[in-house]
Amino acid sequence: ETGVTQSPTHLIKTRGQQVTLRCSSQSGHNTVSWYQQALGQGPQFIFQYYREEENGRGNFPPRFSGLQFPNYSSELNVNALELDDSALYLCASSLDDRSYGYTFGSGTRLTVV
Amino acid sequence: QKEVEQNSGPLSVPEGAIASLNCTYSDRGSQSFFWYRQYSGKSPELIMFIYSNGDKEDGRFTAQLNKASQYVSLLIRDSQPSDSATYLCVPDNYGQNFVFGPGTRLSVLP
Repeated sequence: ETGVTQSPTHLIKTRGQQVTLRCSSQSGHNTVSWYQQALGQGPQFIFQYYREEENGRGNFPPRFSGLQFPNYSSELNVNALELDDSALYLCASSLDDRSYGYTFGSGTRLTVV
Repeated sequence: QKEVEQNSGPLSVPEGAIASLNCTYSDRGSQSFFWYRQYSGKSPELIMFIYSNGDKEDGRFTAQLNKASQYVSLLIRDSQPSDSATYLCVPDNYGQNFVFGPGTRLSVLP
């Protein structure tokens, strides 16, 4: 039990659909990042939120969007799903003192067919 | 973006041996590093954080940082089959996102 919870654990969607993935972080974890991990690759940074403001974004198109809420939860939205969006999506959160590193949730496995 | 180089492996070691995982970096501004372990299909979990030159030990794990030579390593003593996983060396990016490479896949053979 890492204290970072993601839902759902698995999801199958059809190309062109929209999906929302959710993450609930530990209290006090003001920073949350989302990563996409394809098979055999390291996690790729999508975006990061700090105190409900986006403060960093990776090389992902605008159809990837997110929100962070005051209760330490966040969500990742992906519009117009493509087959290549099939991956493990990871949420990671941390305290302001990041010497503790990021704590990852167990991930959401998204399959686009 | 702070990045590192790791041998993707697989690195195979017999059970009970010492596994040595290495990571080099080019950005001299990198001062501290995290080691994460990731089992197949699971999310990364933090093993060690090192920010000082020298060794840091935690149980069977020892992280080593050499800022002059710009490498960081992770030693796993008495390797067990349960240590078989991908190990990710990640430079601390001081408030910005982590940049992950593919890591090194370790296989501990019974």
